[in-house]
Amino acid sequence: KNQVEQSPQSLIILEGKNCTLQCNYTVSPFSNLRWYKQDTGRGPVSLTIMTFSENTKSNGRYTATLDADTKQSSLHITASQLSDSASYICVVSGDSSYKLIFGSGTRLLVRP
Amino acid sequence: NAGVMQNPRHLVRRRGQEARLRCSPMKGHSHVYWYRQLPEEGLKFMVYLQKENIIDESGMPKERFSAEFPKEGPSILRIQQVVRGDSAAYFCASSPGQPSATQYFGPGTRLLVL
Repeated sequence: KNQVEQSPQSLIILEGKNCTLQCNYTVSPFSNLRWYKQDTGRGPVSLTIMTFSENTKSNGRYTATLDADTKQSSLHITASQLSDSASYICVVSGDSSYKLIFGSGTRLLVRP
Repeated sequence: NAGVMQNPRHLVRRRGQEARLRCSPMKGHSHVYWYRQLPEEGLKFMVYLQKENIIDESGMPKERFSAEFPKEGPSILRIQQVVRGDSAAYFCASSPGQPSATQYFGPGTRLLVL
């Protein structure tokens, strides 16, 4: 069964600190992996997208990594800001590239 | 350049009524996708449409749910005879020509069935 699992479920960090969120997937065949940010009451916004041949992708203070062999990805946030408080969702697409398979997300709270 | 628009943002219905959710894709986008998010769960794919065509409705319940994307006007997700289990957030996304392109999401419609 195609699944995407994320950890931790929730995370609280102090402003300015770094953090790393994890994603494991069992989707096969694999097309690409995306990380989305979802603010409360809003739709998801794409942060990064990686195909199986890419190991890392950065977008400002966000850096995503992908290990297609172990089917693991991580999202590293550097120098966190209060506005980073949101849910971060790992999304994988398989043979039907449009049919996105969502993880349940990691809820991040950045405290001053 | 307006993003994906959905309305209403919140919708309250009593059991047995009909719910109509609207989605206007980004300008120039001809592909629309609907997702449902139950409380504390991830988004789940429901249906993929292009103008006047349903491409993939494998994630949509067979009964009471229907979707359309007419030549003119927004895409509509219609839920007939709603039940309490239909309470969820419904998100629409759109993409330009290629189905593998990044999908841009709207703000969602939160449906509450009393």
